Amino acid sequence: KNEVEQSPQNLTAQEGEFITINCSYSVGISALHWLQQHPGGGIVSLFMLSSGKKKHGRLIATINIQEKHSSLHITASHPRDSAVYICAASGGGADGLTFGKGTHLIIQP
Amino acid sequence: NAGVTQTPKFQVLKTGQSMTLQCAQDMNHEYMSWYRQDPGMGLRLIHYSVGAGITDQGEVPNGYNVSRSTTEDFPLRLLSAAPSQTSVYFCASSPGTGGYGNEKLFFGSGTQLSVL
Repeated sequence: KNEVEQSPQNLTAQEGEFITINCSYSVGISALHWLQQHPGGGIVSLFMLSSGKKKHGRLIATINIQEKHSSLHITASHPRDSAVYICAASGGGADGLTFGKGTHLIIQP
Repeated sequence: NAGVTQTPKFQVLKTGQSMTLQCAQDMNHEYMSWYRQDPGMGLRLIHYSVGAGITDQGEVPNGYNVSRSTTEDFPLRLLSAAPSQTSVYFCASSPGTGGYGNEKLFFGSGTQLSVL
């Protein structure tokens, strides 16, 4: 079973700061997901990637397959970015998603 | 499209009661799944389905039952609720055509369940 570790567990930053959330996994994967969960809210898929880098607005996700590591970056952070960010590693099977415990991000104005 | 619709949003049960959490999607997705989310733990898969009439167990299936009679609906049944089933439950779906786990997942808004 894949082990997925996220760091940091909690992160508080000031508005405008560059944010990095890290995700490491123990076994080779076919895809890595980044999800966002607002307080009391549902879960939204941000990215799914198997190599390289993806960008959407102020969010950037990268993955290094050799090092079994992915990062989620937020540029020019804003209080509305405050949420729990979850990474999930896929082994490719229908039951193959292993989730990290999440990173709780707070952006202060 | 409404996406993935989950009901109810909140539910309180007494130990031993049964109930059904509803999940419906209008995107014609083949893959549907149920997860539970507990404090300090990652989401864990309860049951999943790769198409109508096909279901299978995930990581934590005990105490739960599912069926998939149509592509749209994937209800989760608690047979005899226990306090250990207090959790937040999420239903999710994906197209199922690009390899399971290798497609964007669409989540419902969640059900907060308390079992007293």
